[in-house]
Amino acid sequence: AQSVAQPEDQVNVAEGNPLTVKCTYSVSGNPYLFWYVQYPNRGLQFLLKYITGDNLVKGSYGFEAEFNKSQTSFHLKKPSALVSDSALYFCAVRDSGAGRRALTFGSGTRLQVQP
Amino acid sequence: DAGVIQSPRHEVTEMGQEVTLRCKPISGHDYLFWYRQTMMRGLELLIYFNNNVPIDDSGMPEDRFSAKMPNASFSTLKIQPSEPRDSAVYFCASTGGTTEAFFGQGTRLTVV
Repeated sequence: AQSVAQPEDQVNVAEGNPLTVKCTYSVSGNPYLFWYVQYPNRGLQFLLKYITGDNLVKGSYGFEAEFNKSQTSFHLKKPSALVSDSALYFCAVRDSGAGRRALTFGSGTRLQVQP
Repeated sequence: DAGVIQSPRHEVTEMGQEVTLRCKPISGHDYLFWYRQTMMRGLELLIYFNNNVPIDDSGMPEDRFSAKMPNASFSTLKIQPSEPRDSAVYFCASTGGTTEAFFGQGTRLTVV
């Protein structure tokens, strides 16, 4: 079985400050990890992924995430938050094996960036 | 490509009626997923297909739900009869050679 935990329902940060949205995962094999963002009344938009290689991955809109195998974490980060980053963020995982292809999502973290 | 296309965007129906949600995946993608999003349960996988064949339908809530994929460019999710607790946003997603899934805009279903 695979699972994702996003321990914070909401993260508040001031514009210009760095932000971190936390994610931990559980998967039987090697993980493929993803971050998606959802704006109101929209679908999920892909931000970035970790498949293999460098533990620090960079994605869209200045976001990055660091894969930490020992801590089974994949936290989303951005050096300087924008008000327009305010949205719902989802972490997702799937096993890298050829079997199950569906992503399992966390419960989501609402990011609120204050001007 | 226009991305994953879902229709309708909004659906309001009365309890007991049949509801059909539609999805057109991205051309060339061989996996299609149906997810449901609610406040209480978050994003749940309902069913997914590979090359038009259902692979895992263990997330389908009950027999009132059914999904089909008659060809590579079209899938439906049907609820018959619908109940108020089915009210949710239903997402379709597809993926091909890349590992990330691409999502449609969703169908907001309200059953009254």
